Parts: sequence; C-alpha cells; structure tokens
Amino acid sequence: QAQLVQSGAEVKEPGASVTISCGASGYTFIGYTIHWVRQAPGQSPEWMGWINPGNVNTQYSQKFQDRLTITSDTLARKVYMKLTSLRSEDRAIYYCARGQYGWAFDVWGQGTTVSVSS
Amino acid sequence: QSVLTQPPSASGTPGQRVTVSCSASSPILATGSIIWYQQFPGAAPKLLIYDENQRPSGVPDRFSGFKSGSSASLAISGLQSEDEGVYFCAVWHGSLDGVVFGGGTRLTVL
Repeated sequence: QAQLVQSGAEVKEPGASVTISCGASGYTFIGYTIHWVRQAPGQSPEWMGWINPGNVNTQYSQKFQDRLTITSDTLARKVYMKLTSLRSEDRAIYYCARGQYGWAFDVWGQGTTVSVSS
Repeated sequence: QSVLTQPPSASGTPGQRVTVSCSASSPILATGSIIWYQQFPGAAPKLLIYDENQRPSGVPDRFSGFKSGSSASLAISGLQSEDEGVYFCAVWHGSLDGVVFGGGTRLTVL
C-alpha cells in the first residue's frame, strides 16, 4: 500500500536551515502531488507548500515563500523540504502528505520533529 | 487565528451520535472543498471526509459530512471509545493561500 517515510528528527540553531526527506513507495510516484504540512505543539496543522513530481511544479504558502524550497528526485522516489533561517517559532512536527481528491491528503508520513534552540 | 472556527471540545457516550461543527465568517465554506481529519496523540492526521461528504476507502460509514450555508459539520454515529481524538476541518478555496485548517475539536467519549 502507499506509504511515505520521512527522515529523522532534527535539532537546529536559530538561523540554520533544515532539510527533511520524504520517501514514497507503493504507488506511482509521479502521479500525485506531495504536500508539506507542519504542526506546532498543541496547534492545528499548517499547510506549507506542494510539489508535483511529475512536472516539478511547486506552490508555496505566502507565509513561507521566502524560506521554503521543495524539490523531488524521481529516480529516488523522494521529495525534499528545505526551510531556511530557522527561528524558535519553526519548532514543530513536519509532515509530508500525498495529495488526493484535490486538496485532501490521504497518505501521511510519520512526521519529523524539528527543534530550534541555541 | 484560523478562518475556520471549531468548538474546542465535544463529548458523547458510546453509541450516541455526535456532531462537530466548522464555521467561517466568509463564504469560503459555501463554495470551497471541505475536508475532515482525525488525529490521535502522537500520530499524523488521518483523512476522514473530502469534498464535504465523501469517504475514502476504509473509513467507516459511521462518519459523515454535511454542509449548510457557511458552516460544515462532521457527524459520528454509533460513537465508540476509539473515536476519542482531535478532529480538524479544512477547506480549500481559490481565495485562500492553499488549504486552511480549523483549530480542531477534541472529542471525548464519556
């Protein structure tokens, strides 16, 4: 069955960058968009952006437009999310999720915890 | 502050039917695509409902979604203890910056 597996937890200092990978299996990689959603402790999820691995088109939330880059590697069946200039407010669990039925997300990664601390 | 408003909590007893509401001050719910997720502690959200009232394969028909004007609701019938968790509504609308999530409703099964 379709599955997304993310890279492990990260601890970063303020101002640093973080890159999280999301590996896909069990479905046609280029047939679905991959979205990134983050969830700060005790908060609701927050959509960050997506990529279409089939044509590498991307769309980013205006909130993250200047700091976010999403890329994909079709051969490796992986999507990468890079967030730069990290600050304490970026402390959250970051999820990749497969887009289905439009803007619904039907398969989620297990989440990657990002801590930002000096 | 989300554009979608949910009650912070809801509760019910086993077997009961409960509803979780989701409202918006703008008409985005009237024409947007409404989605519902269920989340348990330490787990990723799980898709329950898309396009207002469609269930993905594997989601029990105890879960249903409906919309009325500028509000949407998730109904859970035959409430079970394993339904205890947090429920988020979400909406995509062309006027929004991507998909927006509500604040979430924590459902307690008494």
